[in-house]
Amino acid sequence: EVQLLESGGGLVQPGGSLRLSCAASGFTFPTYGMNWVRQAPGKGLEWVSGINPRGKTYYADSVEGRFIVSRDNSKNTVNLQMNSLRAEDTATYYCARDRAVGAFDNWGQGTVVTASS
Amino acid sequence: QSVLTQPPSVSAAPGQKVTISCSGSSSDIGGNSVSWYQHLPGTAPKLLIYDNDNRPSGIPDRFSGSKSGTSATLGITGLQTGDEADYYCGTWDSSLSDVVFGGGTKLTVL
Repeated sequence: EVQLLESGGGLVQPGGSLRLSCAASGFTFPTYGMNWVRQAPGKGLEWVSGINPRGKTYYADSVEGRFIVSRDNSKNTVNLQMNSLRAEDTATYYCARDRAVGAFDNWGQGTVVTASS
Repeated sequence: QSVLTQPPSVSAAPGQKVTISCSGSSSDIGGNSVSWYQHLPGTAPKLLIYDNDNRPSGIPDRFSGSKSGTSATLGITGLQTGDEADYYCGTWDSSLSDVVFGGGTKLTVL
């Protein structure tokens, strides 16, 4: 069974940093692209970042230059380093597995990030 | 504002059919495959349709997808109260080099 478990969320002041992690199990992790998708309170889904099996990274314009996605295939984890956090980054962050480009077939339960003073 | 346009809400009675539209442009839906997701608050989103009209294993055939030009449609037949959720379309945007989602449609089963 595919499982994705996010961790690392919490309360951080604007301008601060946070590192999210997603632990994957139940599939051959190195062969899949992975993504981060977020949902701000009362808003819809927003794709944040992705990393393909070879380590090529992709970012939404809203986080380019502030967030860094990485993966550790030896530990079956994907990480999201979030720097210079803003109030508008407040959201539930989901880890999601690629089924195809733009199609995510497995999602974690999410971790909540709150950027507030 | 979302790149893809969905109606904010739709409703229908149990047992009936409903369709949810998703409108885009040549750089997103027009040139790429569309996916559909079901999301209940507090839970993980679920993939219902990928590659425009394919269902992952375990998704009942009450759910169907189609695409024509720069628009896509999700159909749900035999509505059940358990289908009440938010539904999102998504695709790759070749101009932005981003995955983009619609704003979401809240389905109410009356």
